[in-house]
Amino acid sequence: DIQMTQSPSSLSASVGDRVTITCRASQGISNYLAWFQQKPGKAPKSLIYAASSLQSGVPSKFSGSGSGTYFTLTISSLQPEDFATYYCQQYNSYPYTFGQGTKLEIK
Amino acid sequence: EVQLVQSGAEVKKPGESLKISCKGSGYSFTTYWIGWVRQMPGKGLEWMGIIYPDDSDTRYSPSFQGQVTISADKSITTAYLQWSSLKASDTAMYYCARLRRAVTGTLFFDYWGQGTLVTVSS
Repeated sequence: DIQMTQSPSSLSASVGDRVTITCRASQGISNYLAWFQQKPGKAPKSLIYAASSLQSGVPSKFSGSGSGTYFTLTISSLQPEDFATYYCQQYNSYPYTFGQGTKLEIK
Repeated sequence: EVQLVQSGAEVKKPGESLKISCKGSGYSFTTYWIGWVRQMPGKGLEWMGIIYPDDSDTRYSPSFQGQVTISADKSITTAYLQWSSLKASDTAMYYCARLRRAVTGTLFFDYWGQGTLVTVSS
């Protein structure tokens, strides 16, 4: 299985800040990388696919980049509703594995 | 509007069987894969497997192969996740999600169900 490692595991930031979360794959996955947001008690929400393409309806404050084994998710101008847990997931090969999650908290 | 509506919470005893459902609407059910994802209490997301409802082609994670069965009934646009003998360690939230096919043929999640909480306790 491909292992996905996110860093940091948790992150404190203030409203208005810009933050970046990284995701590393244990082997090359081209750009077959997705990002999800999950708020407490809610289902995950799809944000990004193909490393940098926004899902329909996702605001442009979310951006993704990377290829191969190194990927980033950047969130600009943090708002209260952005504080959540974020997961990356590779879909290059089965089983499609998730990272362990990054919890973004308000400072 | 694409919707995936999952069945309600379940409380079961160890050894019992269970089948939970995920009903798709607002799109062509037979032309999109549906997947299942487990989230144990306080933990992250785990990819369990996927099914193509048109022909019931299925892929399982090795971690879940033999532990669960994924199926679908295209006549009622519903996918299922079932256990023949539940364990306490099956206690978790289970999500279904639709997968969209990219031009490269790869599959990624787009829409998610609301989740079904399964509690297994004696």
